[in-house]
Amino acid sequence: DSGVTQTPKHLITATGQRVTLRCSPRSGDLSVYWYQQSLDQGLQFLIQYYNGEERAKGNILERFSAQQFPDLHSELNLSSLELGDSALYFCASSAWSEGEKLFFGSGTQLSVL
Amino acid sequence: QKEVEQDPGPLSVPEGAIVSLNCTYSNSAFQYFMWYRQYSRKGPELLMYTYSSGNKEDGRFTAQVDKSSKYISLFIRDSQPSDSATYLCAMSAVETSGSRLTFGEGTQLTVNP
Repeated sequence: DSGVTQTPKHLITATGQRVTLRCSPRSGDLSVYWYQQSLDQGLQFLIQYYNGEERAKGNILERFSAQQFPDLHSELNLSSLELGDSALYFCASSAWSEGEKLFFGSGTQLSVL
Repeated sequence: QKEVEQDPGPLSVPEGAIVSLNCTYSNSAFQYFMWYRQYSRKGPELLMYTYSSGNKEDGRFTAQVDKSSKYISLFIRDSQPSDSATYLCAMSAVETSGSRLTFGEGTQLTVNP
């Protein structure tokens, strides 16, 4: 168990809808990362938050947004969903002193029908 | 050209075999090198972590980094069926703000009893 909690484990929704994925980092970790994993794209970095502030942005679509709250949990919002957004979405966290060591949650499997 | 190249496999070996997994990279700024193990439909788990060049051993696992050749390897000795998973290499450069990993596409390994 990595200590990173993600909910829900599975989401099935329709095109055009909006969903919210939730992540609680390991106790004490200030950094939260969101990754997308699909069969054809591999593991792709979306966005990083550090102590409530956006720190780095990757290949995140404008339809996607994220935030990190004062209690350090994070949410990833996906809107105007398309079939191609179907993927595994992972949250990871890291300690400030070892930012390169990521600890991943078990993921949310999103299926857009 | 991708920054990190990894043979996707699949790789199938008999139990007890020595396994060699490899990645090449093009970004000379990479300083931190990691191997993650990902079981089916689960989050990646940090397996090995090395900084700069050299070897690191942990039980049956040895990580090797050759920065001059931009090549990293993971060796698994006495492989077990429980080692069956996808192995992802990951790398990070030293950056002043933010920290994110560049992942290889993963090599799928099956160890047959």
